[in-house]
Amino acid sequence: NAGVTQTPKFRVLKTGQSMTLLCAQDMNHEYMYWYRQDPGMGLRLIHYSVGEGTTAKGEVPDGYNVSRLKKQNFLLGLESAAPSQTSVYFCASNRPGVPYEQYFGPGTRLTVT
Amino acid sequence: AQSVAQPEDQVNVAEGNPLTVKCTYSVSGNPYLFWYVQYPNRGLQFLLKYITGDNLVKGSYGFEAEFNKSQTSFHLKKPSALVSDSALYFCAVREGGGNKLTFGTGTQLKVEL
Repeated sequence: NAGVTQTPKFRVLKTGQSMTLLCAQDMNHEYMYWYRQDPGMGLRLIHYSVGEGTTAKGEVPDGYNVSRLKKQNFLLGLESAAPSQTSVYFCASNRPGVPYEQYFGPGTRLTVT
Repeated sequence: AQSVAQPEDQVNVAEGNPLTVKCTYSVSGNPYLFWYVQYPNRGLQFLLKYITGDNLVKGSYGFEAEFNKSQTSFHLKKPSALVSDSALYFCAVREGGGNKLTFGTGTQLKVEL
């Protein structure tokens, strides 16, 4: 099993550009999450999904959109990137009823100039 | 709303000495508490959990945590630190009855020879 994978690992964008981050998991998990990690702020939840075709807002959803067309994939989109979105983005997944065992991907380091 | 606080940004310990990484929580109802570890350039990994039962819970890599209801604390401990324990440690609390976790800001543990 590959677990949770994220594509790409690194990206540099100019302000106003758009991009999509891909998260894939091969554990057949129902729940998936997108977090951002910033120094001194820990992890903050952007959006999450409790199953294929469903998404919901987390703590810091503004400026991001998500889609969960297939159970194994969770996409995070930035329509018009801003320097404030410079961060490390983590995807995670877990089984229903086991909320603490979230499995994390290796992260995507995004810089917006 | 549930929250966790990690009062120390960094903890320095000599190899072989005991270590403690502090976490306090604020929840309504029974707390579900967790510790995760993040090694450099990696995603977070689950270490241990407290849901109910014994106040001392044991986890991976020789770590344990002590739940103290009166002090609303859930400190992470290890009797003898290793240089390889150097990492970023996050305390987390389950939100309500769902699957979302709220993470603390993290504590950088540095174990020196």
